[in-house]
Amino acid sequence: AQSVSQHNHHVILSEAASLELGCNYSYGGTVNLFWYVQYPGQHLQLLLKYFSGDPLVKGIKGFEAEFIKSKFSFNLRKPSVQWSDTAEYFCAVMPYLGGKLIFGQGTELSVKP
Amino acid sequence: GAVVSQHPSRVICKSGTSVKIECRSLDFQATTMFWYRQFPKQSLMLMATSNEGSKATYEQGVEKDKFLINHASLTLSTLTVTSAHPEDSSFYICSLAGSREDTQYFGPGTRLTVL
Repeated sequence: AQSVSQHNHHVILSEAASLELGCNYSYGGTVNLFWYVQYPGQHLQLLLKYFSGDPLVKGIKGFEAEFIKSKFSFNLRKPSVQWSDTAEYFCAVMPYLGGKLIFGQGTELSVKP
Repeated sequence: GAVVSQHPSRVICKSGTSVKIECRSLDFQATTMFWYRQFPKQSLMLMATSNEGSKATYEQGVEKDKFLINHASLTLSTLTVTSAHPEDSSFYICSLAGSREDTQYFGPGTRLTVL
C-alpha cells in the first residue's frame, strides 16, 4: 500500500536555527510531491510542490525541498526559521495518475523566540 | 489558488442527529472535491472524492450511508453525517482540485463535536 512517513513528530527549534523535516514515501511509480503547512487555527496551505524537472524546488517563505528519487525522499528545509514558522507541516504524495493525495502523519514545528 | 469556504466552522450536536457541512468554491468551478477527516495530532485521511453530477467515490472503510456526499453544482459539495455518534467527532476538511487537478486547495475545516 502507498504510504508517506514523516520522521519527526515534534520539532522544537530556536529562531535562526536551520530546519530539515524528513519525508519518505512508498510507491513504485511516478509521483507528484507536496508540502503543506497548517498554521494554528488556519487551513492547510500549499508550501511547495514537485512535479518534474529540477529536484530542488523552492516554495513560499524561504522553504525549499529536495526530491531524491533513489531514496524516495522529499525533505523540507529552511536555512533560518522564524517564530512565525510555528505550525504543523504535512508531506503528501499523489501518484501521477491517481489523483488522490496521501498525507504523512505531520510534523509539529515549534520555534522559540 | 482557489478560495474554499466551509460552513459551519464548528458544530456541536446530540448523538443521533444529522449534521450537514457545506464546502464552497468561491472563485473556481470545481468538478472534483475531496472530503478528509483529521483526528487530533494526526494526519488527514481521505474519506471520499466528490464529482459534480455523479455519485461520490468512498475510500475503503468509510460508510457511504453514514457520510452522505452531494456535489450538486460546480461550487458546492455537502457532507452529511447521519445519526452522528461521539466517535464521529472530528475535524472535517474539504478540498477542491485546481485546474490542473494535481494541486488541491483546502477549506478551513469544520470541527464536529457529538455529545
